[in-house]
Amino acid sequence: GNSVTQMEGPVTLSEEAFLTINCTYTATGYPSLFWYVQYPGEGLQLLLKATKADDKGSNKGFEATYRKETTSFHLEKGSVQVSDSAVYFCALSQTGANNLFFGTGTRLTVIP
Amino acid sequence: DTAVSQTPKYLVTQMGNDKSIKCEQNLGHDTMYWYKQDSKKFLKIMFSYNNKELIINETVPNRFSPKSPDKAHLNLHINSLELGDSAVYFCASSNTGGNSPLHFGNGTRLTVT
Repeated sequence: GNSVTQMEGPVTLSEEAFLTINCTYTATGYPSLFWYVQYPGEGLQLLLKATKADDKGSNKGFEATYRKETTSFHLEKGSVQVSDSAVYFCALSQTGANNLFFGTGTRLTVIP
Repeated sequence: DTAVSQTPKYLVTQMGNDKSIKCEQNLGHDTMYWYKQDSKKFLKIMFSYNNKELIINETVPNRFSPKSPDKAHLNLHINSLELGDSAVYFCASSNTGGNSPLHFGNGTRLTVT
């Protein structure tokens, strides 16, 4: 079956700290992988995606690399800002399918 | 603005009532979804429609009935509301295919008292 496991939160960091949120997946075949971000009071927004092994998705200083050998898609940012405080969701979908499988979300709080 | 819009934003009602949440997208997508987010932020798909046809129907009580009058709209009707239905409900849309990202509405916070 398909599933996504991401690190438990909450995560609290000081501004300019390095961020890693771990995500591993279980899937058949070759899924597409996504990170979504949910700011307070809003819906989820796509942050970045990768559709095949070794692809690197990047956006707004965030990066994640699709690692098939470790079935991982860890989210990283070199220097977080207070405005990055949000809940981050790792997700996967199968090619041709219309269903996203989400991880449980990781709440990030960045303090000045 | 191009977006997924859902109404109402907040919905407070008593147990046993029937309520509806509306969703519209003007992105030209052919697939729409309803997700439920519980108090721990866990997201679970409820329904998915492609060109007005139901394609995903997860284990959801029969009290929940989606209606898609056209491919730009997917409404959610809930009968006989229960305390456990309290959650945030998100509508989303996408193009067909696993590579297409979902675009989410801002959610409807349903509180059943």
